[in-house]
Amino acid sequence: RKEVEQDPGPFNVPEGATVAFNCTYSNSASQSFFWYRQDCRKEPKLLMSVYSSGNEDGRFTAQLNRASQYISLLIRDSKLSDSATYLCVVTPSGGSYIPTFGRGTSLIVHP
Amino acid sequence: DAGVIQSPRHEVTEMGQEVTLRCKPISGHNSLFWYRQTMMRGLELLIYFNNNVPIDDSGMPEDRFSAKMPNASFSTLKIQPSEPRDSAVYFCASSFRSFLATANYGQYFGPGTRLTVT
Repeated sequence: RKEVEQDPGPFNVPEGATVAFNCTYSNSASQSFFWYRQDCRKEPKLLMSVYSSGNEDGRFTAQLNRASQYISLLIRDSKLSDSATYLCVVTPSGGSYIPTFGRGTSLIVHP
Repeated sequence: DAGVIQSPRHEVTEMGQEVTLRCKPISGHNSLFWYRQTMMRGLELLIYFNNNVPIDDSGMPEDRFSAKMPNASFSTLKIQPSEPRDSAVYFCASSFRSFLATANYGQYFGPGTRLTVT
């Protein structure tokens, strides 16, 4: 089993739709979790951290389920500009502190 | 803050030539990462520095690759000799790691160097 797994998609949704991505991780000792966004031919950009209690930033909601070892990202009222690849990142507690990136989920928002 | 700065942004070189990529991390960050990204393999971690010391270089492909961090504000990734299969986008990222706190902080990526080896 890969350390961090994501459905590659693409998720093809109309503007205004709600879309959700999941990301599963295998290391139960994982401590920190993040979502990144990467536009075509650009660098990954930190979108939001994921806290145990769940957190929201505008139209974006991130949640963590430690029991089932997954994190999720919900995007409400999708915009054309949300089209990108969304990467989840998991960092273990202690040890070498090396974050592990998923391969990303592609989102295409169409008019 | 200007963010993570990388140079050059594009590099085209011939097989066998030496390539040096440069990175200036965000001021105050104590962790620096070099990544390589290709369509086939996705984002791969090459090496990770903490407080200028290489902590994990298990991702460095082979002896042709070397990385240094002589001080907190500068790092280089060198490929010598370069090969066509090294063609990729190379990203540098920095973050702050506090060993006194349980939380980790996210990484901030530079714009990348697009390397083409012919």
